[in-house]
Amino acid sequence: DVKVTQSSRYLVKRTGEKVFLECVQDMDHENMFWYRQDPGLGLRLIYFSYDVKMKEKGDIPEGYSVSREKKERFSLILESASTNQTSMYLCASSSQGAEAFFGQGTRLTVV
Amino acid sequence: EDKVVQSPLSLVVHEGDTVTLNCSYEVTNFRSLLWYKQEKKAPTFLFMLTSSGIEKKSGRLSSILDKKELFSILNITATQTGDSAVYLCAVDNYGQNFVFGPGTRLSVLP
Repeated sequence: DVKVTQSSRYLVKRTGEKVFLECVQDMDHENMFWYRQDPGLGLRLIYFSYDVKMKEKGDIPEGYSVSREKKERFSLILESASTNQTSMYLCASSSQGAEAFFGQGTRLTVV
Repeated sequence: EDKVVQSPLSLVVHEGDTVTLNCSYEVTNFRSLLWYKQEKKAPTFLFMLTSSGIEKKSGRLSSILDKKELFSILNITATQTGDSAVYLCAVDNYGQNFVFGPGTRLSVLP
């Protein structure tokens, strides 16, 4: 069974803090993704990576950065958290041409 | 800009009803269309469709793709309360990522 694991289910952070969201997959997938999900807006792509050390901006990369030092791990970084980054964050991975598998999500609240 | 549209956005039915969820898309390069079910947490994969006219079926759920008219439908027959969820449609656009629609929230009442 494919497993995508996100480090936290719930996080509460203060405005201005640096926040790290970690994601690990165990199926040797080339592609990894970070989405955020907000009511009425669906899933919006923040960043994706198709190989180690490679990254591509998605639709809403502002205020975020990513790191992929190892194939199985994809980290999302909020350099200086703001209240408008309060959201559900979903990590996913896939092989080329195959379906994406999702982690359980991290609900981040920035106060 | 690639776009996926779903309708209706919200639907309330009673157990035993049959529902049809719609997904239309505009993408520059189409590889496949995917359906996911999302309950309280992670979306779970239902179907991947790549060819027109070939129905994919799993129990009471089925789906079909029309690549000429650029849409897909997801049918659920004899709905149960456990079918209550958000159903997401996504397109793989060869861009090494997926474009998601806003989802259809289905509520099945006992």
